[in-house]
Amino acid sequence: ETGVTQTPRHLVMGMTNKKSLKCEQHLGHNAMYWYKQSAKKPLELMFVYNFKEQTENNSVPSRFSPECPNSSHLFLHLHTLQPEDSALYLCASSQDEIAGGLGNTGELFFGEGSRLTVL
Amino acid sequence: AQSVTQLDSQVPVFEEAPVELRCNYSSSVSVYLFWYVQYPNQGLQLLLKYLSGSTLVESINGFEAEFNKSQTSFHLRKPSVHISDTAEYFCAVRRYGGATNKLIFGTGTLLAVQP
Repeated sequence: ETGVTQTPRHLVMGMTNKKSLKCEQHLGHNAMYWYKQSAKKPLELMFVYNFKEQTENNSVPSRFSPECPNSSHLFLHLHTLQPEDSALYLCASSQDEIAGGLGNTGELFFGEGSRLTVL
Repeated sequence: AQSVTQLDSQVPVFEEAPVELRCNYSSSVSVYLFWYVQYPNQGLQLLLKYLSGSTLVESINGFEAEFNKSQTSFHLRKPSVHISDTAEYFCAVRRYGGATNKLIFGTGTLLAVQP
C-alpha cells in the first residue's frame, strides 16, 4: 500500500457536473496539500491544510472546494469547472507544514495524481 | 522569498551518456534542497535531498547532486543514463525553520534518453 493514495486516477466530467477527488495518507502526517499540474506550466500549489486547518488558499477559484475532515483525508470538491481546469491534480503530505523541527525536513510525499478532463 | 530556476526544459541524451540537469535557487536564508522525479502518468517521487553536512548527496539509482552555496546551485548528475531514467525532474527548495514555509518547485526538466 502506497503512503499517499488518490482516487479516482482518471476523471472525465462535464462543466455542469459535481465530482470529488479523494486523497488518503497512511504516513501519520499532519499536513496535506493539493497541487495542480498543467502541461508546460510549473506545479501550482492550491491548498494547504495543517492539523486539519486550512493555512493556504493560493487564490484558487471557488469552483474548487477543499475539505479536510481529519489529518489522514483530504478532498477536493469540483463544481462547474471549465475546460482549462483539465490537469493532473496531485495530493501530498508532510510531517507538518513547518520545516526545521527535529527530524522534520518538510519533505513532501506525493500521491500518483488524479487526471481530470473537463469537457 | 525563495525561487528555483531550471533553465533547461528538455534534455535529450543517448543511453549510457552522462547527464547534468541544472538547478539554481535564490534565498537569503538557509534552505533544504530536493530533487523529485516524475515518471509518465505518475506522481512525484523524492530522488534525493540536501539537508546539511556533506555537499554531495546520492540516490540509490546512481544520481547525485552537489550543493554549491557560493553559486546557489544544486545540479543533478548521472555518469551513465538508462532508458528507464526518462522522466521529468523537478528541483525544489524549502526554507529552514521560521514560520510557515512552502516547498517551491522549479518548472521541471524533461530528461529524454534515446537508445
